[in-house]
Amino acid sequence: GAGVSQSPSNKVTEKGKDVELRCDPISGHTALYWYRQRLGQGLEFLIYFQGNSAPDKSGLPSDRFSAERTGESVSTLTIQRTQQEDSAVYLCASSFDPGPNYGYTFGSGTRLTVV
Amino acid sequence: DQQVKQNSPSLSVQEGRISILNCDYTNSMFDYFLWYKKYPAEGPTFLISISSIKDKNEDGRFTVFLNKSAKHLSLHIVPSQPGDSAVYFCAASAKGSNYKLTFGKGTLLTVNP
Repeated sequence: GAGVSQSPSNKVTEKGKDVELRCDPISGHTALYWYRQRLGQGLEFLIYFQGNSAPDKSGLPSDRFSAERTGESVSTLTIQRTQQEDSAVYLCASSFDPGPNYGYTFGSGTRLTVV
Repeated sequence: DQQVKQNSPSLSVQEGRISILNCDYTNSMFDYFLWYKKYPAEGPTFLISISSIKDKNEDGRFTVFLNKSAKHLSLHIVPSQPGDSAVYFCAASAKGSNYKLTFGKGTLLTVNP
């Protein structure tokens, strides 16, 4: 597609439920990143995919968070047993092999609210 | 431990004047710096970047200055336009980090007509 697509754009869930967030990167982009932005904070790195593998998962805040990527395209971020502190905007970005400008293209994000 | 700091949450300037957004960092391993612009309900968009081997990079109305000894960078927008009103994020990356970016909290720029 023309840009990075994320769905849903908004999600309200009850504490304790699982949620799945989806990212469709730009076709041909091999690198994919997940970030989140909590209220009043900067973007926090969560995980990096190169192709289908995730060489850097260092930003995942707990074992409730997991992500996968299939076919060098779609990625899903799953949060199990959601907590109120998980409320944030979750942003996905993709790029060709990282280059001098990084060339990150971000999606519009999924706003997750845990009530 | 905030490695990238944008100490001004907001900035207001008049159309046509210069906007200067500041950013400080603490990690001496950072070797690449970027500015992103974000409108409400949209993802951040890349604006301009600078490598640590340079002290200035210019692209049209946007110029980024890097002072490595002070661990400080700034984004200059001149002349400022109302359409520049957005949140601006400073970001940095360290060599070998898989291009993982560390972001500041952002500065909301308002350009008044």
